[in-house]
Amino acid sequence: DIQMTQSPSSLSASVGDRVTITCRASQGISNYLAWYQQKPGKVPNLLIYAASTLQSGVPSRFSGSGSGTDFTLTISSLQPEDVATYYCQIYSSAPPTWTFGQGTKVEIK
Amino acid sequence: QVQLVESGGGVVQPGRSLRLSCAASGFTLSNSYHMHWVRQAPGKGLEWVAVIWYDGSKKYYADSVKGRFTISRDNSKNTLYLQMNSLRAEDTALYYCARQYRGYDSWGQGTVVTVSS
Repeated sequence: DIQMTQSPSSLSASVGDRVTITCRASQGISNYLAWYQQKPGKVPNLLIYAASTLQSGVPSRFSGSGSGTDFTLTISSLQPEDVATYYCQIYSSAPPTWTFGQGTKVEIK
Repeated sequence: QVQLVESGGGVVQPGRSLRLSCAASGFTLSNSYHMHWVRQAPGKGLEWVAVIWYDGSKKYYADSVKGRFTISRDNSKNTLYLQMNSLRAEDTALYYCARQYRGYDSWGQGTVVTVSS
């Protein structure tokens, strides 16, 4: 089974800071990687798919990069409304894998 | 407008069964969308549970539920199901259904399952 390691588990940053979250897959997954944002008490929301494609309606301060085993979610300028937990996820049909990372809780300092 | 509405959750004793439903609207379930169940235990992260292919031809399960849960779909009713047998305390969670299109582009609001004696 392909495992996902997401880091850090939590972070605290100031408004306007650049924030980076990483996910590492235990084996290559091409670009079948998505990022989700889950605000407290809310349903997860798709931010990025195919590792780097921004979902419609998502602010451009969010970006994704990577391919193979190492992936990054970047928030270029952290805003108060970005307080949430962020998850990466493999979505691959071959081999069949839909594993989530452990999550990163983002707070404002 | 795409909408997914889960139902069927509740409080159940360990070892008993429960069937969750996910009614889809705003799109046709059979149109090339794989459908998933994802759960989230209280205060924990997201855990993928099961997937069924758009045509029902393939099904895959997380190891934690394999042999106990069964995913199915009725495209004529535009509804996804999750039959959960031999429930355990560790199955307690908020269960979401989700549509896979370049990741999970649509989620339901979830239905709560509590397994407790």
